[in-house]
Amino acid sequence: EADIYQTPRYLVIGTGKKITLECSQTMGHDKMYWYQQDPGMELHLIHYSYGVNSTEKGDLSSESTVSRIRTEHFPLTLESARPSHTSQYLCASSEVLVIGENEQFFGPGTRLTVL
Amino acid sequence: SQQGEEDPQALSIQEGENATMNCSYKTSINNLQWYRQNSGRGLVHLILIRSNEREKHSGRLRVTLDTSKKSSSLLITASRAADTASYFCATGANSKLTFGKGITLSVRP
Repeated sequence: EADIYQTPRYLVIGTGKKITLECSQTMGHDKMYWYQQDPGMELHLIHYSYGVNSTEKGDLSSESTVSRIRTEHFPLTLESARPSHTSQYLCASSEVLVIGENEQFFGPGTRLTVL
Repeated sequence: SQQGEEDPQALSIQEGENATMNCSYKTSINNLQWYRQNSGRGLVHLILIRSNEREKHSGRLRVTLDTSKKSSSLLITASRAADTASYFCATGANSKLTFGKGITLSVRP
């Protein structure tokens, strides 16, 4: 098991609520990622970070925001949740390589349902 | 459009048989990786093959990479019921990984 944690594992909330999905890792990795995955579908990168105070948008446009104040912590926030945000959200981390992309370690995911 | 595309979409085999899964991609890559995902869980890294490598082994896993055909295959030998999962290929380029839709493997006891 990788040392990367996500809370909550499951979340059911009403439309319009503000939510924060937590992700933390104890491996000291500089790079962290958020992916969105619908059932039976591929992962879409929505945010990533190269390190503290670095955040970048991914390939899939998302209304969520992220912050990276500490190396080990990479929370994702939705200011006003909508049913279209219903999905599984996966957090991952990796070491930085000089060339190429290293293996990523994934958390167990947060399954979000917005009613 | 997605970079990695797996084939077949679903595969059902008997325990003890070999499972072969294929992945094709479109653009140049630094490496290609295979991941496994059990239902409702995060992904687990299986194996990474670099663009200058042609074949790699890890336990019961064998992965090949043909950069001229832009394709890779993952072979799981002597499959077990515990191998039942979804398998994703991911191409590494430009400091990011791009995942395919995945292959659902069912291993019948």
